[in-house]
Amino acid sequence: NAGVMQNPRHLVRRRGQEARLRCSPMKGHSHVYWYRQLPEEGLKFMVYLQKENIIDESGMPKERFSAEFPKEGPSILRIQQVVRGDSAAYFCASSPHQGAYEQYFGPGTRLTVT
Amino acid sequence: AQSVTQLGSHVSVSEGALVLLRCNYSSSVPPYLFWYVQYPNQGLQLLLKYTTGATLVKGINGFEAEFKKSETSFHLTKPSAHMSDAAEYFCAVSPIHGSSNTGKLIFGQGTTLQVKP
Repeated sequence: NAGVMQNPRHLVRRRGQEARLRCSPMKGHSHVYWYRQLPEEGLKFMVYLQKENIIDESGMPKERFSAEFPKEGPSILRIQQVVRGDSAAYFCASSPHQGAYEQYFGPGTRLTVT
Repeated sequence: AQSVTQLGSHVSVSEGALVLLRCNYSSSVPPYLFWYVQYPNQGLQLLLKYTTGATLVKGINGFEAEFKKSETSFHLTKPSAHMSDAAEYFCAVSPIHGSSNTGKLIFGQGTTLQVKP
């Protein structure tokens, strides 16, 4: 089985552009989590989605950030009008079950805003 | 709010020496507990987890951790360090709030393990 896939692995955007990060969960997993790792910091939870539903977005910045997990296709984390402070590694994780359970992480997308 | 504290952002040991990485959590209700390892430019890999049952849990690569409720701790150990253990280690908790728990992980700041030859 393929693991969690994320693309692109590296993304460079100029300030003000949009960034789209994609995550394909492991086969059979319908629960997706997004985390952000800022330089020299641990990972911070952003959002938890199930197919077509946002379950918990308590970690999402109030503006410019959005996430979706459509019925078909990968989960998308979208950042509009990027700023330098958005430069970070963004990790997606998937799980087969809701609730406290182990999560399987993708390799991450490293976003650099110039 | 729940939090996770990893004592020591950098730990250095000699090859063959004991590895001890410390993790404490703050929660009135013991959460589920995890240790993940991250190699440079890679994602996180689960080392081990504690949910219920035996408080000493064994993981991959010879690592183990013991859940101590009285100390709100979940320290990670390995009897003998190997060069390949050099990586960043993250302790994480998943809050349990009955039917409303969503499984999100709360991570500590991470500990970088250096293994000297």
